[in-house]
Amino acid sequence: QSALTQPASVSGSPGQSITISCTGTGTDVGGYNYVSWYQQHPGKAPKLMIYEVSDRPSGISDRFSGSKSGNTASLTISGLQAEDEADYYCSSHTARYTVAFGGGTKVTVL
Amino acid sequence: DVLLLQSGGGLVQPGGSLRLSCAASGFTFSSHGMSWVRQAPGKGLEWVSSISGPGGSTYYADPVKGRFIVSRDNSDNTLFLQMNSLRTEDTAVYHCAKGHLRDGFDPWGQGALVTVSS
Repeated sequence: QSALTQPASVSGSPGQSITISCTGTGTDVGGYNYVSWYQQHPGKAPKLMIYEVSDRPSGISDRFSGSKSGNTASLTISGLQAEDEADYYCSSHTARYTVAFGGGTKVTVL
Repeated sequence: DVLLLQSGGGLVQPGGSLRLSCAASGFTFSSHGMSWVRQAPGKGLEWVSSISGPGGSTYYADPVKGRFIVSRDNSDNTLFLQMNSLRTEDTAVYHCAKGHLRDGFDPWGQGALVTVSS
């Protein structure tokens, strides 16, 4: 059982927007602005898409955005494209000086 | 460009040991915390361990605490993960990554498969 809860799957049509949630507690997501999001294509290493809740690394499309409210963080992908089909994971710093990951969300582009 | 090149991995019997290495280039290695993250076959990501830039502070996930040791050689820009008393449930692809507890992990190494089986 993962420390952070994500939906197992989310789907959308090309051009649509989708949102993936990541629910933790006050000792991880809710307590710190250190939430990250990763994209992983099959057989590939994960790629950082969002850090510190809403910041994008250089080179990441602005179609990807992050936010947080209380104990739940969210990743929104706007203008969904076929290449966005992948697994997405959230992570958070925790009060125990560890890192918690979500169980992952499979994004399908219909 | 920042590059992390991993070596090590392989098949080991339960109770055995293995050491993973991660050679870094393209950034000032000693100024950045580093981490290990694993992914069991068909499963999600699991954080394993992190180490501060100078190497004086280390952190471990509960499942590996007391069995795994993270270290680094800043003179050689290399990160290590010494894995002892290996269990079948440690079977996974292990990735090194640039970044510490509060950072986003970026980039990631290519991964090394560790299989614990008799």
